[in-house]
Formats: sequence, C-alpha cells, structure tokens
Amino acid sequence: AQSVTQPDIHITVSEGASLELRCNYSYGATPYLFWYVQSPGQGLQLLLKYFSGDTLVQGIKGFEAEFKRSQSSFNLRKPSVHWSDAAEYFCAVGARNTGNQFYFGTGTSLTVIP
Amino acid sequence: IAGITQAPTSQILAAGRRMTLRCTQDMRHNAMYWYRQDLGLGLRLIHYSNTAGTTGKGEVPDGYSVSRANTDDFPLTLASAVPSQTSVYFCASSDSLNMAGMDTQYFGPGTRLTVL
Repeated sequence: AQSVTQPDIHITVSEGASLELRCNYSYGATPYLFWYVQSPGQGLQLLLKYFSGDTLVQGIKGFEAEFKRSQSSFNLRKPSVHWSDAAEYFCAVGARNTGNQFYFGTGTSLTVIP
Repeated sequence: IAGITQAPTSQILAAGRRMTLRCTQDMRHNAMYWYRQDLGLGLRLIHYSNTAGTTGKGEVPDGYSVSRANTDDFPLTLASAVPSQTSVYFCASSDSLNMAGMDTQYFGPGTRLTVL
C-alpha cells in the first residue's frame, strides 16, 4: 500500500535561513508526488508536484523539491525563508492504480523566528 | 472566483444527531473528495467521487455517507454522530482528466465539527 512519512513534526528556523522538509514515500511504481501548504485556518494549497522527467521541481513562493528514487524521498527546500512561510506543510502521493485517491503525510509545522 | 465553499464553518453537535456538511464547487471539476484532519494524523480520505453519480470509499469511511447528484455538490452526512468524529473536515476537487492520481486538488476552507 502507498504511504507517506514526514519524520519532522515541527521545525523552527530563523528568517532568512534555508529550509528543508523531509518526505519519504512507499510505493511500488513511480509515484506522483505533491507538496501542499496550509496556512492557519485555511485549506491546503498546492506548492508543487512531480510526475516524471527532471527530478528537481520548481514551485510557487520560491519552493523547490527533489525526487530521489534511490532514497524514496521528495524533500522540499527553500534557500531563504520568509516569516510568511510559517504554516503546515503536507507531502502527498497519488496512486496510479487507485484512481484519484491520494495519501497525505502527517504534516510538518514550520515556525519562523525573526 | 469562489472555488470551493463549505458550510457550516463550524458546528457543535450532540452525539447521536444527524449532520450534513455541505460542499459546492464552481470549477466544473469531475472529482470531489472529503477528508478529515486530525492532529498527528494528517489528512485522511473519507469518501471520494470521480464523477457525478459515482462514489467510492476512502481510508476512513465508517460512519459517513456521501452522494453526488450533480457535478457541483458533494455533501457528507454523519447519520449518528459520535465524539470520535470531532475533527476538521475538508472538501476538495480536481479536474480528474485522467483519473490516475496526477491531479492537483483544490481545497475548501474546512468545517470544524465538535461532537459532544
């Protein structure tokens, strides 16, 4: 079965520092991978997604993610964090053989300190 | 552009009562979904619908039912609410052009439900 693991429940970074949020997936074939962001009291918004091709994917708000098949990972990065990036971040995997079902990780909460 | 609307925004409900959470989208998306979000568990799929007239069970369907009479609406019903159904509920939709798990999902603002 498909699954997604986000090992870090909570991360705190200083504004201007670099950020990396970890995501590991379990899936038998090439997965479809997504990162979503949830601001407080809001629904989720897509940051970026990977289907195939270039393993480094660019998203909105200056985020990028790299697919590493050998490590079953899809880590999210940002070179310089802004205070407005404070939010909950979810990694998700889409499954080819189960229609439109998606599996979300448990999320990583990001705090940005001035 | 409204996107997805959910109602109510929040609700406190006595155990045993029936409750319907409403979800409407104006993007003409084929697929719609209901998730519940619980601390430490992330989002879990309750039910989904790939197209009007069809529905399917997700990861945690027990105690919930859905219907999809038309493209725009996808209500979620709790027939007899229990305290373990206290959660934040999110509705989402996607284009579902190929129904192969590739679609971007668009989420509503959520409904916070408390069952006492």
